[in-house]
Amino acid sequence: GENVEQHPSTLSVQEGDSAVIKCTYSDSASNYFPWYKQELGKRPQLIIDIRSNVGEKKDQRIAVTLNKTAKHFSLHITETQPEDSAVYFCAATAAGNKLTFGGGTRVLVKP
Amino acid sequence: NAGVTQTPKFRVLKTGQSMTLLCAQDMNHEYMYWYRQDPGMGLRLIHYSVGEGTTAKGEVPDGYNVSRLKKQNFLLGLESAAPSQTSVYFCASGMTGGAGRYFGPGTRLLVL
Repeated sequence: GENVEQHPSTLSVQEGDSAVIKCTYSDSASNYFPWYKQELGKRPQLIIDIRSNVGEKKDQRIAVTLNKTAKHFSLHITETQPEDSAVYFCAATAAGNKLTFGGGTRVLVKP
Repeated sequence: NAGVTQTPKFRVLKTGQSMTLLCAQDMNHEYMYWYRQDPGMGLRLIHYSVGEGTTAKGEVPDGYNVSRLKKQNFLLGLESAAPSQTSVYFCASGMTGGAGRYFGPGTRLLVL
């Protein structure tokens, strides 16, 4: 089945700096790659997603890039703010429209 | 439009007891999923459904059963709870093609 690796597991950045989280996937048939933000004690919330026919997508301060050849995708957060502190998960579709999640990245934005 | 709801929010069970977790969605989504999230860990897929009357196993299906008798509801059952099933359970729903994965608020389960 699909395997998704996510790095780093923790990331500490200064407010205003950029944060980058990287994921790799194993199933070349995967075609949908969402990113979720999970605050402490809350549900995961979809923040951005990308399909395999697109190389990059941007939504205000967040962007996602996809390299199908290398089977990796990344989340970029610019001008980080304290409210960006959370755990971020990447995911990839496998057969049957199942989502396989990465292990998560705990992001801490220091004021 | 309530989105995805889960019942109950919190439950304590003794080893060997059974219970059913209910997930309901009002978005007419075909796909529904049950995940578990252990402390400090990611989300692991237990079972999922691609439509009314269908179910399939995910990564960690042992000890759980599911049913999807109505399109809007997806039930997760524990026949004989074990301490290893202590976790937070999230239900999610989505549309065909992978878009719009919406998560419910979660059910926190403690098995003693």
